[in-house]
Amino acid sequence: DTAVSQTPKYLVTQMGNDKSIKCEQNLGHDTMYWYKQDSKKFLKIMFSYNNKELIINETVPNRFSPKSPDKAHLNLHINSLELGDSAVYFCASSQVAYNSPLHFGNGTRLTVT
Amino acid sequence: GQQLNQSPQSMFIQEGEDVSMNCTSSSIFNTWLWYKQDPGEGPVLLIALYKAGELTSNGRLTAQFGITRKDSFLNISASIPSDVGIYFCAGQLGQGGKLIFGQGTELSVKP
Repeated sequence: DTAVSQTPKYLVTQMGNDKSIKCEQNLGHDTMYWYKQDSKKFLKIMFSYNNKELIINETVPNRFSPKSPDKAHLNLHINSLELGDSAVYFCASSQVAYNSPLHFGNGTRLTVT
Repeated sequence: GQQLNQSPQSMFIQEGEDVSMNCTSSSIFNTWLWYKQDPGEGPVLLIALYKAGELTSNGRLTAQFGITRKDSFLNISASIPSDVGIYFCAGQLGQGGKLIFGQGTELSVKP
């Protein structure tokens, strides 16, 4: 009964590859997010989708493309991976209409070699 | 851009001691949140604050939303080993606004 689940938990790949991370939430929330946590543990927002519509798009390389097939899913596709993409990526969700706090998934640790 | 300054960056304390950490910002926020992150897991919400001056407790944790809306503190009383982890403050401007995180406070508790 995990609220926000993301897969895979670990992802090791080589530079130049394309990879995807999937996220699903069963909380009925209307908004989903992707955050990146760097090696110093700093959490920075990348994208936010509300009811499948992109509402926040921070300064992220266009190699990163989020896709929301429905409001319960927000996937992250990364093209041409670079060493600097190595980080932990967190999916989160919230119910904006009720100003509810974010609920986070357990993260995907991406290592680019 | 908006930034949150969280301090201290790390703390090493003895079990049973009280802990205090705080966040300040040059910007006003409408919501302050405190999260805890355990190794290998995502941040988990501890306390949410929605009104300036609000003081809220959750067990041994107490947090306050500063009157100026530019700061917040979190206190942990009588720390225990399972309090170990990274604590993050986060500020939000309004509904649907992006959440800005502090740099985190890494807490270590010695039994």
